[in-house]
Amino acid sequence: EAQVTQNPRYLITVTGKKLTVTCSQNMNHEYMSWYRQDPGLGLRQIYYSMNVEVTDKGDVPEGYKVSRKEKRNFPLILESPSPNQTSLYFCASRGTGGHGYTFGSGTRLTVV
Amino acid sequence: AQSVTQLGSHVSVSEGALVLLRCNYSSSVPPYLFWYVQYPNQGLQLLLKYTSAATLVKGINGFEAEFKKSETSFHLTKPSAHMSDAAEYFCAVSGGMDSSYKLIFGSGTRLLVRP
Repeated sequence: EAQVTQNPRYLITVTGKKLTVTCSQNMNHEYMSWYRQDPGLGLRQIYYSMNVEVTDKGDVPEGYKVSRKEKRNFPLILESPSPNQTSLYFCASRGTGGHGYTFGSGTRLTVV
Repeated sequence: AQSVTQLGSHVSVSEGALVLLRCNYSSSVPPYLFWYVQYPNQGLQLLLKYTSAATLVKGINGFEAEFKKSETSFHLTKPSAHMSDAAEYFCAVSGGMDSSYKLIFGSGTRLLVRP
């Protein structure tokens, strides 16, 4: 089944403790992206990647890092999480045509 | 820069009534437009997309949307609401030199369906 898989689904952590949210897609998609969803703000792009070793900032990149060492994986790294990064995070991927993304099921992160 | 405005953070309809969710976009280039649905505790599912072909786009679950360039709108409709349609709906736009790799989302509209 074609899908984007994120882990974990739920995560509670403390301020300053480094964490990684994994994302993997099995559709051989070139483009991958991370979004955060906050009430009343919709989804905002954090980072995106056009292919292996090619990444760029989205609209809200502060406090986040990403890497794209393999085509299928696009982890999101929070080096020093803060409470304002408490949010629902989505990974998404798409191929070269169509412009529509396939989304993962989301990761609900709480930073205390 | 591109942007999306969804009018109404909450829309309430009776079961069997017409569903109309409004979306207006701003784009300096021909846009690609999308509607996504999010059920509770789930990710986003693509309902339909406009990619410069027919202006009336049919999607899944009986939804459709019409691209109106003169009004810069892409409203989502369904003739008869079902209880299972209760969810949050997001309109999104992509395209153009500065945003072809990302979707720009509206703030979402939560659809409530009354029995």
